[in-house]
Amino acid sequence: DVKVTQSSRYLVKRTGEKVFLECVQDMDHENMFWYRQDPGLGLRLIYFSYDVKMKEKGDIPEGYSVSREKKERFSLILESASTNQTSMYLCASSFLGSSRNEQFFGPGTRLTVL
Amino acid sequence: SQQGEEDPQALSIQEGENATMNCSYKTSINNLQWYRQNSGRGLVHLILIRSNEREKHSGRLRVTLDTSKKSSSLLITASRAADTASYFCATGSRDDKIIFGKGTRLHILP
Repeated sequence: DVKVTQSSRYLVKRTGEKVFLECVQDMDHENMFWYRQDPGLGLRLIYFSYDVKMKEKGDIPEGYSVSREKKERFSLILESASTNQTSMYLCASSFLGSSRNEQFFGPGTRLTVL
Repeated sequence: SQQGEEDPQALSIQEGENATMNCSYKTSINNLQWYRQNSGRGLVHLILIRSNEREKHSGRLRVTLDTSKKSSSLLITASRAADTASYFCATGSRDDKIIFGKGTRLHILP
């Protein structure tokens, strides 16, 4: 079974703190994704990566950065957390290639920024 | 960017009944996928239908795709309490990204 794990289920941070969200997958997937999910807005893509050290901006990259130093690990970084980044963060992974691009999700991290 | 749009936004049915959710999208697609999300959890992939397919089955799930109308439907037969969840359609194009709709909240009444 594909397993995608996220470092925390719940996280509470203060405004201005640097926040790291970690995601690890064990299926040798090339692609990894970070989304945020907010009520009424659905899932919005923040960043994705299709290979080690490669990254592409999604729809809402502002205020975020990412790091992919190893194939199995994809980190989302909030350089200076703000209250409008309070959200559910979901990591996903998939194989390369549009013919089999179903995504496998982690359990999510609910981040609250005070 | 929003591609799929589910209808209805929320649906409540009695246990044992069939549940139908619809998805409309705007641009050409390579495939269309349906996902389920239980409250506060990650999404689980249910089924993928390619653009050259019209219907697909998986257990109690039946998905149809009409590319001429740019629409898809997900039918869950003989619903159970455990089917209570949010259901999302997602469209896949030639790149590896997929775009999610806002979801349908399904509630199965005992």
